[in-house]
Amino acid sequence: AQSVTQLDSQVPVFEEAPVELRCNYSSSVSVYLFWYVQYPNQGLQLLLKYLSGSTLVKGINGFEAEFNKSQTSFHLRKPSVHISDTAEYFCAVIRVNTGNQFYFGTGTSLTVIP
Amino acid sequence: DGGITQSPKYLFRKEGQNVTLSCEQNLNHDAMYWYRQDPGQGLRLIYYSQIVNDFQKGDIAEGYSVSREKKESFPLTVTSAQKNPTAFYLCASSTRAGLALNTEAFFGQGTRLTVV
Repeated sequence: AQSVTQLDSQVPVFEEAPVELRCNYSSSVSVYLFWYVQYPNQGLQLLLKYLSGSTLVKGINGFEAEFNKSQTSFHLRKPSVHISDTAEYFCAVIRVNTGNQFYFGTGTSLTVIP
Repeated sequence: DGGITQSPKYLFRKEGQNVTLSCEQNLNHDAMYWYRQDPGQGLRLIYYSQIVNDFQKGDIAEGYSVSREKKESFPLTVTSAQKNPTAFYLCASSTRAGLALNTEAFFGQGTRLTVV
């Protein structure tokens, strides 16, 4: 079975400071990995995804994530956050070649403090 | 523009009534999903469908029903058997999840259901 753990439920950070949102997964097979962002009362928007190739993935809004297979992690980073980055962030996985479902973490609420 | 549309955005119903949430996509995706979102619990899968006329229960299917008669539509009915239906409901679609190199889930804007 798959599971996704987002280790921090809330992350406050000052504007222009760096941030890392942590995500670990468990799976006995290969997976694809995703980070989504959700603004209040809206749907989820894809930030970035890892399907294959380079383990460092760059996404929208200056975010990037690194896939670490040995540590089964896919942490999201941004070197300098803006007020507009305040939102809920979700990590997700799906098993490769199974036609199965997406599994989501419980989310991390990022609050950028002016 | 291609996308996924949920309607209505806000829905109020009396306790004991069934209610149907609409989800339509024009992305030509085979797979569609319904998630429920409650504060602090992330997204929990209710039902998903990988192909027309076929669907599977997710983790919290009790009190819900779905149909998939057309590729572009995947309505969700919240029945009176659902004990705590007030929540934010999200619909998503994707290519056959896990089978295509460019797979990702596209989400609608959600429906907030309040039962009074």
